[in-house]
Amino acid sequence: EIVMTQSPATLSVSPGERATLSCRASQSVSSNLAWYQQKPGQAPRLLIYGASTRATGIPARFSGSGSGTEFTLTISSLQSEDFAVYYCQQYNNWPREYTFGQGTKLEIK
Amino acid sequence: QVQLQESGPGLVKPSGTLSLTCAVSGGSISSSNWWSWVRQPPGKGLEWIGEIYHSGSTNYNPSLKSRVTISVDKSKNQFSLKLSSVTAADTAVYYCARAGWASSQFGVTNYFDYWGQGTLVTVSS
Repeated sequence: EIVMTQSPATLSVSPGERATLSCRASQSVSSNLAWYQQKPGQAPRLLIYGASTRATGIPARFSGSGSGTEFTLTISSLQSEDFAVYYCQQYNNWPREYTFGQGTKLEIK
Repeated sequence: QVQLQESGPGLVKPSGTLSLTCAVSGGSISSSNWWSWVRQPPGKGLEWIGEIYHSGSTNYNPSLKSRVTISVDKSKNQFSLKLSSVTAADTAVYYCARAGWASSQFGVTNYFDYWGQGTLVTVSS
């Protein structure tokens, strides 16, 4: 099983500043990496897939980068609605399986 | 716009079987997508349970495989989850989700592009 590790567990950032979240895979996942945002009481929302492609309707301030085992989600200028928990998720083609990171809570500083 | 809606009992007794159904609207379950179940224990992270294709092919999380069955009903445009021998550790919000896909020079990647709202299932006597 591929293990996904996110860091930090909690990130405190002021509105308007940049946030950088990290995700590391225990073995290469190529570009099979997605990022999700989850707010309390809501289902996760897809932000990024293929490591760097923004999903439909996602603002340009969200960007993803990386390949292999190291990935980054960057939010360029934090808005109030961006404070939430973020999860990375890898997809493995054979055998087909998905694993999530444990999440990073982005909180207001 | 694809929509997914989970339904089923919110309370299951220990050692019993958890049964949930996900109704798909705004799209066909026979599309070129896999359909998954994901769960989230209270205050914790996300765990993929398993998936099904409209042909009936399934893949399961190895840690749950012995207790999980996912099935599809194309006539009703829905798919279902059964989790047997449940314990308190199975208490969670259960989500159904569609796996979108995209192709690139590296092959095909999958991700969850549509989610249900989630349903809380509590295991308790």
